[in-house]
Amino acid sequence: NAGVMQNPRHLVRRRGQEARLRCSPMKGHSHVYWYRQLPEEGLKFMVYLQKENIIDESGMPKERFSAEFPKEGPSILRIQQVVRGDSAAYFCASSQDGGGTDTQYFGPGTRLTVL
Amino acid sequence: AQSVAQPEDQVNVAEGNPLTVKCTYSVSGNPYLFWYVQYPNRGLQFLLKYITGDNLVKGSYGFEAEFNKSQTSFHLKKPSALVSDSALYFCAVRDPSGNDYKLSFGAGTTVTVRA
Repeated sequence: NAGVMQNPRHLVRRRGQEARLRCSPMKGHSHVYWYRQLPEEGLKFMVYLQKENIIDESGMPKERFSAEFPKEGPSILRIQQVVRGDSAAYFCASSQDGGGTDTQYFGPGTRLTVL
Repeated sequence: AQSVAQPEDQVNVAEGNPLTVKCTYSVSGNPYLFWYVQYPNRGLQFLLKYITGDNLVKGSYGFEAEFNKSQTSFHLKKPSALVSDSALYFCAVRDPSGNDYKLSFGAGTTVTVRA
């Protein structure tokens, strides 16, 4: 049973370019969460999605960031016109039913470096 | 608002000695509490969770945690530490009285177990 898959594992972008991060949840999971880990900090919630729906994006920066989880295919976190401050590790997690007692299982992360 | 504090940035122990990683929380209702471990350049691995019931929770790799409501704590423990336990440990809380899918993480505690 494959775990949460994320790709790419490492992504290097120049300032002003777009970064696209992908997340495939565990089999049977339909709830996806994105978190960001800045250097020397814990993880911060960004967005929670179900298939074709954004449930909560309260942790997403208002500009340049967007997320989707289409009916078919992986969830995508998109960062437009990246800046150096976007350099971080971005983790995706998935859960089975999204309830409060449900465990979120994390992927290996995508480490974004903005030059 | 929910929050978690991990008062120690680092914990150093000798192999074979007991290991304790501290965590305190703040939520408006009864908390759901989680521990995760992160190895270098890897994602977070779930260790254990407290939802309700017995205050002592047993998890993966010989770890356990004790929920203490009066002290609002959820310390992670292992009776006999191994060198392979050296990693970054995160405590997380979810408040079921609010948006109960969002995890709030502590800043993490780096554990070093010396041979």
